[in-house]
Amino acid sequence: DAGVTQSPTHLIKTRGQQVTLRCSPKSGHDTVSWYQQALGQGPQFIFQYYEEEERQRGNFPDRFSGHQFPNYSSELNVNALLLGDSALYLCASSLETDIQYFGAGTRLSVL
Amino acid sequence: AQSVTQPDIHITVSEGASLELRCNYSYGATPYLFWYVQSPGQGLQLLLKYFSGDTLVQGIKGFEAEFKRSQSSFNLRKPSVHWSDAAEYFCAVGTSGTYKYIFGTGTRLKVLA
Repeated sequence: DAGVTQSPTHLIKTRGQQVTLRCSPKSGHDTVSWYQQALGQGPQFIFQYYEEEERQRGNFPDRFSGHQFPNYSSELNVNALLLGDSALYLCASSLETDIQYFGAGTRLSVL
Repeated sequence: AQSVTQPDIHITVSEGASLELRCNYSYGATPYLFWYVQSPGQGLQLLLKYFSGDTLVQGIKGFEAEFKRSQSSFNLRKPSVHWSDAAEYFCAVGTSGTYKYIFGTGTRLKVLA
């Protein structure tokens, strides 16, 4: 049984560009949450998707957007990248509001 | 507002020694509490969770944690540390009906041979 998978593993972008990160949830899970983990910090909640809708959002600007597909997989999009967006982006899946299981993350570097 | 404090940024212990990592939370009602471990370049692995019931919970890899409501604490313990336990440990809080976890800033554990 595959766990939470994220792609790509690493990504390098320049300021002003746009990026899309992808997440496939653990089998049987219907909810996907996204977190940003800056270097030396704990993960911070970006938003959560359930039934293809954004259910809750953390304190992140509108440059951060997402999508959930009918197969429960999800994308995180970040527009107009800033240097401060460099971080590890973690996807977590769960069955509704049950325990969240995390993927290995996507390391985004913005130059 | 919910918050999680992990007072110790770094902890160094010798292999075989006991370990206690501290976690304090702020929340008005009974929270859901978690400990996750993160190895370098990896995602987060769930060690254990507390939802309700017995305040001493057992997790994987020989870890346990105790929920103390009076102290708003959920400290992680292990009686004998192994070199492979070297990693970063995160305490997190969630609440019934909420959709996000609030994480502490983490404690980096170093294990001396």
